[in-house]
Amino acid sequence: EVQLVESGGGLVQPGGSLRLSCAASGFTFSSYAMSWVRQAPGKGLERVSAISGSGGTTYYADSVKGRFTISRDNSKNTLYLQMNSLRAEDTAVYYCAKGGVGVVSDYWGQGILVTVTS
Amino acid sequence: EIVLTQSPGTLSLSPGERATLSCRASQSVSSSYLAWYQQKPGQAPRLLSYGASSRATGIPDRFSGSGSGTDFTLTISRLEPEDFAVYYCQQYGSSPITFGQGTRLEIK
Repeated sequence: EVQLVESGGGLVQPGGSLRLSCAASGFTFSSYAMSWVRQAPGKGLERVSAISGSGGTTYYADSVKGRFTISRDNSKNTLYLQMNSLRAEDTAVYYCAKGGVGVVSDYWGQGILVTVTS
Repeated sequence: EIVLTQSPGTLSLSPGERATLSCRASQSVSSSYLAWYQQKPGQAPRLLSYGASSRATGIPDRFSGSGSGTDFTLTISRLEPEDFAVYYCQQYGSSPITFGQGTRLEIK
């Protein structure tokens, strides 16, 4: 059974940092691109970052470029999102999802809330 | 970037009725890599359909996706109470992967 479990969210002040983790199981993690998708309160879905199976190719939305860093540890079956210089507009539920360009995101984590407020 | 526009924004129907949701792309979607997701409050999106017309595992056959190029449709043949939710289309054929803004399906 495929499982994706996010952790690391919480409350942070503007300008602060958080690192999200997504522990994967039930599939060959290194064979799949992975994505982070966020949803601000009452809003739609926004794909903010993605990484290839090997980790050699990454994508960032303009809204987070230069502030967020995606990475993965295939030996630990874990995906990460390092979020720096956080802003109020980064407040959202963050989901990790299996899949990328050409591969549908068929599995999603339960989501983790990040709240940026003073 | 491919912009996806969903219509209508809100659809008010009764259980047992047929629902037709539209997703229009600003340019042709590569290889019909178009997916539909259902999202209920407090839950992660759930994949319903991919490749424009393939039903995901465990999805009831009342859900069907269709279309190609720039025009795609999700049809729910006979609404059940649990189908009232928000629906998103997503193109995953080219980078950046993008989502539509969503259609809220509400009980009339």
